[in-house]
Amino acid sequence: SQQGEEDPQALSIQEGENATMNCSYKTSINNLQWYRQNSGRGLVHLILIRSNEREKHSGRLRVTLDTSKKSSSLLITASRAADTASYFCATGLIDMRFGAGTRLTVKP
Amino acid sequence: DSGVTQTPKHLITATGQRVTLRCSPRSGDLSVYWYQQSLDQGLQFLIQYYNGEERAKGNILERFSAQQFPDLHSELNLSSLELGDSALYFCASSARVVQGSSGANVLTFGAGSRLTVL
Repeated sequence: SQQGEEDPQALSIQEGENATMNCSYKTSINNLQWYRQNSGRGLVHLILIRSNEREKHSGRLRVTLDTSKKSSSLLITASRAADTASYFCATGLIDMRFGAGTRLTVKP
Repeated sequence: DSGVTQTPKHLITATGQRVTLRCSPRSGDLSVYWYQQSLDQGLQFLIQYYNGEERAKGNILERFSAQQFPDLHSELNLSSLELGDSALYFCASSARVVQGSSGANVLTFGAGSRLTVL
């Protein structure tokens, strides 16, 4: 079974706009990770946020974590066509579980 | 190139058959994870090995089995294949298995093996 659920399932924006994706999870966590997947390819790790952190930045990525609501968000600022991909949140240590993903399309 | 090598990239077979998917983890990584990705089920965790030992089992069917060898490569065996087994199978590796409350395992994924069962 999947641990996290991303919202929305699909998102379409214009280049230069910001994209926000949300993830909700069910059980308590030590950390939460976000991964990206280009169509049909392997997932790539983007960023990790620990349970005692509320916000983390990496380049154009901003991740927030609200453990009281069991939710996280991923913000991509100034999006580019190359950001078109599916984005997944993941929780767990040994048996890492992934959400269903948000499919982001950035139109040039 | 992520450093995680999966073979074959594509595989087409018939129902009832058996296939073996192979994974070589990134150099230095001791832990291997297997995932199945299909359109209707999303990315499902199957099984995880650390330094040759099974550490966690997920939604892996009894028809499926896996192992990690002394050289750390891993194989996923799928038998009595059904149409519904058609999917992308991913292998991922991490440096170690962290179990403490402050730890985290960051996964490096291979490119996947696409299995089509006809």
